[in-house]
Amino acid sequence: QVQLQESGPGLVKPSQTLSLTCSVSGASISRGTFYWSWIRQRPGKGLESIGSIFYNGSTYDNPSLKSRLTISMDTSENQFSLTLRSVTAADTAVYYCARVRGTIFGPGVSDIWGPGTLVTVSS
Amino acid sequence: DIQLIQSPSSLSASVGDRVSITCRASRAFNDYLAWYQQKPGKAPKLLIYGTATLQSGVPSRFSGSGSGTEFTLTISSLQAEDVATYYCQKYNSAPWTFGGGTKVELK
Repeated sequence: QVQLQESGPGLVKPSQTLSLTCSVSGASISRGTFYWSWIRQRPGKGLESIGSIFYNGSTYDNPSLKSRLTISMDTSENQFSLTLRSVTAADTAVYYCARVRGTIFGPGVSDIWGPGTLVTVSS
Repeated sequence: DIQLIQSPSSLSASVGDRVSITCRASRAFNDYLAWYQQKPGKAPKLLIYGTATLQSGVPSRFSGSGSGTEFTLTISSLQAEDVATYYCQKYNSAPWTFGGGTKVELK
């Protein structure tokens, strides 16, 4: 079955760059069926869509994060990654990666999720 | 941007009760509305998509309905394992926003 697993540092200093990787097993991210997405959840808060990437490299970014955000993919490793620059304490959150079904409009629903990884921004 | 407001923000109900959660949009959109269940410390789980289509493996006591600006998630007979926070999400266009969540607890 399809499984996703986030990895990366659990602690990042303010103003530095947050980098996470999502390793996918049981499916190829280079097949044009699904999008691959990042979602975060600040402590005690709701869910926030960060962005998605399609097999052809097209990305769909949250406008509020777009200027600091890069989502990329490494098809040889079957992984996709999140880079968020100039982080502040407000970026402290559990970060989830997810498989997303496509629609005629673009990314749709997230049907398979990784377990999530907590990233704390603190000096 | 379309905002999604869920109500109530929390509720307490007994096992066997019928529970309904509403998701109201600031502007009407098509039926690209999903519901997720999140238990403490776990990733969200997809319950319903396309307003009313049950995700495979989800118990039939869960159902979705609505259109335009008002959508509803109903649990026909609440079970102990349904204690969780529920989120709606629109996915018709960017940004793909979620509602603020509804926490369901047992009375």
